[in-house]
Amino acid sequence: RKEVEQDPGPFNVPEGATVAFNCTYSNSASQSFFWYRQDCRKEPKLLMSVYSSGNEDGRFTAQLNRASQYISLLIRDSKLSDSATYLCVVNGGATNKLIFGTGTLLAVQP
Amino acid sequence: NAGVTQTPKFQVLKTGQSMTLQCAQDMNHEYMSWYRQDPGMGLRLIHYSVGAGITDQGEVPNGYNVSRSTTEDFPLRLLSAAPSQTSVYFCASSYGVSSYEQYFGPGTRLTVT
Repeated sequence: RKEVEQDPGPFNVPEGATVAFNCTYSNSASQSFFWYRQDCRKEPKLLMSVYSSGNEDGRFTAQLNRASQYISLLIRDSKLSDSATYLCVVNGGATNKLIFGTGTLLAVQP
Repeated sequence: NAGVTQTPKFQVLKTGQSMTLQCAQDMNHEYMSWYRQDPGMGLRLIHYSVGAGITDQGEVPNGYNVSRSTTEDFPLRLLSAAPSQTSVYFCASSYGVSSYEQYFGPGTRLTVT
């Protein structure tokens, strides 16, 4: 089993749609959780950290479920500019290194 | 601030050649790391450094060397390039190992023939 697994995608959604991505992690000792965004042929950039209480940043909401070991990202009112690959990132517990998921590709259609 | 810079942006090597990928940051970050990104594999940690003079291996260190003589610079050396090292290489820096935002450079696209 991979340490971090994400929805395979791609997700093709119309503008204005709400889309949700899930990510599961295997190490119950993990303490840090992030969503990164990566545009085509660009470097990853932090989208948001994920806190135990959940957090929201404009149209983006991240949730953490420690009992089931998954995190989610909800994007409301999708924009064309949201088209990118979204990477789930979790620290690796005992090794304390960041483990990156393979990413989920989102394509927002006009 | 320039952030994290990497050179070159593109490189083609022949099998057996060696080269150094350069990485520099101007944010005074102690932690720097090198990743490779391959289709379907996600980013994988090659080597990392928690400060000048200190380096350690990540998940896929074979075939690569690193050094950290200054806080700013963290070069990655390919000792004898192999086709399996064809990849996109990203350098990253941050204030800490895993609880902090990682700032990535623009990447180096390496092809080994």
